[in-house]
Amino acid sequence: AQKITQTQPGMFVQEKEAVTLDCTYDTSDQSYGLFWYKQPSSGEMIFLIYQGSYDEQNATEGRYSLNFQKARKSANLVISASQLGDSAMYFCAMREDNAGNMLTFGGGTRLMVKP
Amino acid sequence: DTEVTQTPKHLVMGMTNKKSLKCEQHMGHRAMYWYKQKAKKPPELMFVYSYEKLSINESVPSRFSPECPNSSLLNLHLHALQPEDSALYLCASSQEWSGLDGNEQFFGPGTRLTVL
Repeated sequence: AQKITQTQPGMFVQEKEAVTLDCTYDTSDQSYGLFWYKQPSSGEMIFLIYQGSYDEQNATEGRYSLNFQKARKSANLVISASQLGDSAMYFCAMREDNAGNMLTFGGGTRLMVKP
Repeated sequence: DTEVTQTPKHLVMGMTNKKSLKCEQHMGHRAMYWYKQKAKKPPELMFVYSYEKLSINESVPSRFSPECPNSSLLNLHLHALQPEDSALYLCASSQEWSGLDGNEQFFGPGTRLTVL
């Protein structure tokens, strides 16, 4: 069964608008972490934001915030004030803490920012 | 310094060649990873080194041979590859192999490998 699901293969957003990228996960573990990575066409995976399963507050890093809804098992990424440089592939990943630092990635969402 | 470097950026090789990919980090991280990524797919884990010892081998064919000469360096030796091995090879590192809070993996820019 898919552990991480990203249901939006591709999305468009107008420059300066906010956008939400969806991610749902499946685990029976109590302790886990959720990560978002950005991958521009150059190939490098850039770490954006982390949310631990026990964190009560949603994580924020600059223009990125993670909308963590534990009961729904969702960890959506919100990008505020989109910029042209935000055009990239975005991957959601989960780590089950009893399995080392192994990441399970979702299929990714390609975000395109329109000028 | 939060950088993971990889060389070369691009590599074209024939099926009978032997080549090596190199990865380096100077963040004092004790876990290092090799991933393979095909176009439009997420990265797939190949190997994990923890404290310079091989911890995870995700059933990778023996034509891929990893090596960790010291805590900062990770190599991937390639021999007798197939065209289907053409992909982006990503190296990553993290503080530890364990499921610590945070402990995010930092990735290098990757090596784009083409096997003819």
